[in-house]
Amino acid sequence: QQPVQSPQAVILREGEDAVINCSSSKALYSVHWYRQKHGEAPVFLMILLKGGEQKGHEKISASFNEKKQQSSLYLTASQLSYSGTYFCGTPRTGTASKLTFGTGTRLQVTL
Amino acid sequence: DVKVTQSSRYLVKRTGEKVFLECVQDMDHENMFWYRQDPGLGLRLIYFSYDVKMKEKGDIPEGYSVSREKKERFSLILESASTNQTSMYLCASKGFRSEAFFGQGTRLTVV
Repeated sequence: QQPVQSPQAVILREGEDAVINCSSSKALYSVHWYRQKHGEAPVFLMILLKGGEQKGHEKISASFNEKKQQSSLYLTASQLSYSGTYFCGTPRTGTASKLTFGTGTRLQVTL
Repeated sequence: DVKVTQSSRYLVKRTGEKVFLECVQDMDHENMFWYRQDPGLGLRLIYFSYDVKMKEKGDIPEGYSVSREKKERFSLILESASTNQTSMYLCASKGFRSEAFFGQGTRLTVV
C-alpha cells in the first residue's frame, strides 16, 4: 500500500545532482513531496497533480507520470541545506485527503 | 503561523500501560493523521480522521485507537503499550486540497 521510494539513501557532494523516485502500485491522482531535516518535522515542498505537470521549489523540481504511477524529485546543484529525508505522499483512491507516505530517501550533502 | 502541537516530545512508559498521545492544530483543518516513523519504513499511517468523531484505519492500526471529540484535537491511544510500539509518532493535519502540516513528533519508549 505504501509508495516505494528509491534510492533508500544517497550521499552527494555539494553541487552534484540527484534524482529520487516514488512508485505506487495504485493509481495516483496527485503526489506530495516533503523534506524532514534531522530532529525536525517534515515540511511540504510541492504538490503535483494529474497531467504530467512539473513544479519547482528553489533548485528542486519534480515530475509526475500518472500512467507509470510514479513521480521523481530532481535536486540540482545540491546545497548542504538539502540534507534530510525526503518523502513522497499520495492520497488513497477515493479519499483525496488520506495521505500515505513512502518509505523515505535519506539524502546527505557533503562538502 | 500555522501550528500542529504534540503534547510531549519524549515519553517513557512501561509495558502494559495505557498511553495517550495528544495533538492539537490551530488551522481549522478537517483532516488529521497519526503516523509512526521507523528507520527504513518511512511514515506509516496508523489512523486518519476526516471530521469530528469520524475515523478510518490506516495501514497499521493494531494495538492503537483514536479519539476526535473536537475538531482541533486528535488523540492516539495505545491500549496496552508493548515494546514493539517504541517509535517516533507524528501527528499531521490537512485541509481539503492543501498540504499536510506536521507536529514535532513524540518519541515514545516502552520499557
